[in-house]
Amino acid sequence: QVQLKESGPVLVQASETLSLTCTVSGFSLTNYGVIWVRQPPGKGLEWMGIIWRNGNTDYNSALKSRLSINRDTSKSQVFLKMNSLQTDDTAIYYCTRTDGGYSELDYWGQGVMVTVSS
Amino acid sequence: DVVMTQTPPSLSVAIGQSVSISCKSSQSLVYSDGKTYLHWLLQSPGRSPKRLIYQVSNLGSGVPDRFSGTGSQKDFTLKISRVEAEDLGVYYCAQTTHFPFTFGSGTKLEIK
Repeated sequence: QVQLKESGPVLVQASETLSLTCTVSGFSLTNYGVIWVRQPPGKGLEWMGIIWRNGNTDYNSALKSRLSINRDTSKSQVFLKMNSLQTDDTAIYYCTRTDGGYSELDYWGQGVMVTVSS
Repeated sequence: DVVMTQTPPSLSVAIGQSVSISCKSSQSLVYSDGKTYLHWLLQSPGRSPKRLIYQVSNLGSGVPDRFSGTGSQKDFTLKISRVEAEDLGVYYCAQTTHFPFTFGSGTKLEIK
């Protein structure tokens, strides 16, 4: 069945780099894009970026200078890296998938809570 | 960026009643392919978001038909008929027509 699972450190120091992995199963990254979304504690959802099924990427302009997304299709993994972390980057980070149609946003990972410590 | 304005921010409803949530976008959400990429999500307490409706009015797999979506261009509505206890949580609209994709600020549904 379709699954997405985020993994990575739960505590990161300010000014350091966050590295998260989204491991997927039940579908191929060559057929679906993967989106990263984050949610600060008690707040709403923020779209961070996407890696499309062809490997191209698009980023939220507010994060673009700090963010990169890439993937390893052979391992069914998508990677998020964001540098120069600040305390307001503290959030739950989710990955979800898209095909631009029927399957858009239909499955989400359980999320990983990342705390940025000063 | 496309601003998604959801109203009301919260509502309290008794089991069995019906409710509607509004989502208005600052730009038309019709894409160049003629489709409208407006979706509705529910985030139950402590859980990941779950997709309810995609492309305005299409019910997601396994979603009860008590949920329905309508609208066009810039004005959209989610209706929940015969609310059940499991419907509590925060409802978000989301647009994936324009970059950056954006979400509404959420509507918190409480059960009386």
